[in-house]
Amino acid sequence: DAGVTQSPTHLIKTRGQQVTLRCSPKSGHDTVSWYQQALGQGPQFIFQYYEEEERQRGNFPDRFSGHQFPNYSSELNVNALLLGDSALYLCASSLATSYTQYFGPGTRLTVL
Amino acid sequence: QKEVEQNSGPLSVPEGAIASLNCTYSDRVSQSFFWYRQYSGKSPELIMSIYSNGDKEDGRFTAQLNKASQYVSLLIRDSQPSDSATYLCAVNIADTGNQFYFGTGTSLTVIP
Repeated sequence: DAGVTQSPTHLIKTRGQQVTLRCSPKSGHDTVSWYQQALGQGPQFIFQYYEEEERQRGNFPDRFSGHQFPNYSSELNVNALLLGDSALYLCASSLATSYTQYFGPGTRLTVL
Repeated sequence: QKEVEQNSGPLSVPEGAIASLNCTYSDRVSQSFFWYRQYSGKSPELIMSIYSNGDKEDGRFTAQLNKASQYVSLLIRDSQPSDSATYLCAVNIADTGNQFYFGTGTSLTVIP
C-alpha cells in the first residue's frame, strides 16, 4: 500500500521564478492538503483540495495556487518566488470523511 | 492569539523515564487532536489521535485530553534514544472543516 509521495525532493530556484510541486495521495484517499513549514516552525496550512476543487484556504497570497486531478493527485504552484518562500512543503492526504491526515516526505524549496 | 501553543523546549529526559509533552489550544470548538513526531529533516509522522476527554493509550504512548481546560498532552513511557525528535500537536477546529492548526513543536532529547 503506497503512502503519500511527493516530487521533487529538493528544488533550488531564484527570486521571481515559478515552481510546481507534485503530490500523490495515499491509496484510497481523496483529499489533499498542502502545508508550508519554515525552519523551527510548525506546518502552516496553505489549502486543501477535494473533488478537484479548492475546499479551504489558509492565510497565503494568491501567488500560491493549486490543482487536483481526477486521480486525486495534486500540484502546488508558487509564482514570483520570494526569499521567504524557502521552506519544506508538505502534502498530506486524507479521506473526506476522516480528520486524520498522513504526510508525504516533503519538498525542500530553497529560493536564492 | 495563536490557535495552538506548545513549549518549544528543549526537553531532556534520561533513557527509561517518562517524557511529558503539553499543548494548549484557543477557545474555539475543537474536535480532533493529533500528535505527530518529526525527526530532523523529515516529515511529520502520525503517533496518535484523540477525540474525547480522558486518556488514550497506544503502546508506550498515552494521549490525554481535557477540553474544559483546552489542554492535550502526550506521555511517552520508557523513553528511548530513538524517541528523540520534535513532537507536533495539531488541532482540527470544527468550523474550519479539515484544516489543521499546528503548534511550533517541542524538541525532545532522550539521553542514554
